[in-house]
Amino acid sequence: DAMVIQNPRYQVTQFGKPVTLSCSQTLNHNVMYWYQQKSSQAPKLLFHYYDKDFNNEADTPDNFQSRRPNTSFCFLDIRSPGLGDAAMYLCATSRDPSNSYEQYFGPGTRLTVT
Amino acid sequence: QKEVEQNSGPLSVPEGAIASLNCTYSDRGSQSFFWYRQYSGKSPELIMFIYSNGDKEDGRFTAQLNKASQYVSLLIRDSQPSDSATYLCAVKRLTGGGNKLTFGTGTQLKVEL
Repeated sequence: DAMVIQNPRYQVTQFGKPVTLSCSQTLNHNVMYWYQQKSSQAPKLLFHYYDKDFNNEADTPDNFQSRRPNTSFCFLDIRSPGLGDAAMYLCATSRDPSNSYEQYFGPGTRLTVT
Repeated sequence: QKEVEQNSGPLSVPEGAIASLNCTYSDRGSQSFFWYRQYSGKSPELIMFIYSNGDKEDGRFTAQLNKASQYVSLLIRDSQPSDSATYLCAVKRLTGGGNKLTFGTGTQLKVEL
C-alpha cells in the first residue's frame, strides 16, 4: 500500500543534542511537509518542499532545518533541541498543490527532550 | 481573531445520534476545506474534503460548506464509540498563506454508550 512512513516513532534526546527525524513516502507526491504538534494544539507548519524548492515558515526557529535528498525522503534536523521542542512531529505529503490539495500524514514521531 | 476556529468541546453524543461539528474561518478567499480525525496520540487522518458550497456525503459523514457565512461543518450520522476522537478543520488559504493548510485546534468528540 502506498503510504507515508516516519522513523523513529518515538525519539528521546538530550537537551542540546542534535536529532534527525526521517520521513519517506511511496505516494510519489511532489510536496512534503513537516508539522509540529503539541498537546491539544493545532499542527503547526514548520516548512515544506515542493519538489526541491524549500519553503520555510517565517516563524520557524533557525534551530529547525530540513533536507530532501530525493522525491521519496525528507528529513527534519533539530540542531540543539530545547525542552520546548518536545512534541509530535508530523510529516505529510500532497500532490501538486495547485491541483488537488489533500494532505496525507505519516504516523508521527513523538520527541521527548530530557 | 483566529484564522480557523473550532469549539474545543468535548462534544458528547449518545451512540447512534448525529454529531455536528462546526468550524468558521476568517479568510474569505479560502477555497478548500478539510476534515481530519485524530485519535489520541496518533496522526491526523483525512476523512472529508469539500470545495463547493453545499453538502458532500461520504458514508456516515456529510461535510457542509457555506462560503458566504464562512462556515464549514461535519455531520456524523449513527455515531459510534469508535468515532470518539478530535476532529480538526483545515482550510487552504489563497492569500498570504501560499500553498499550505491552516488547522483549527480541533473539537473533541465523545460518543457514549
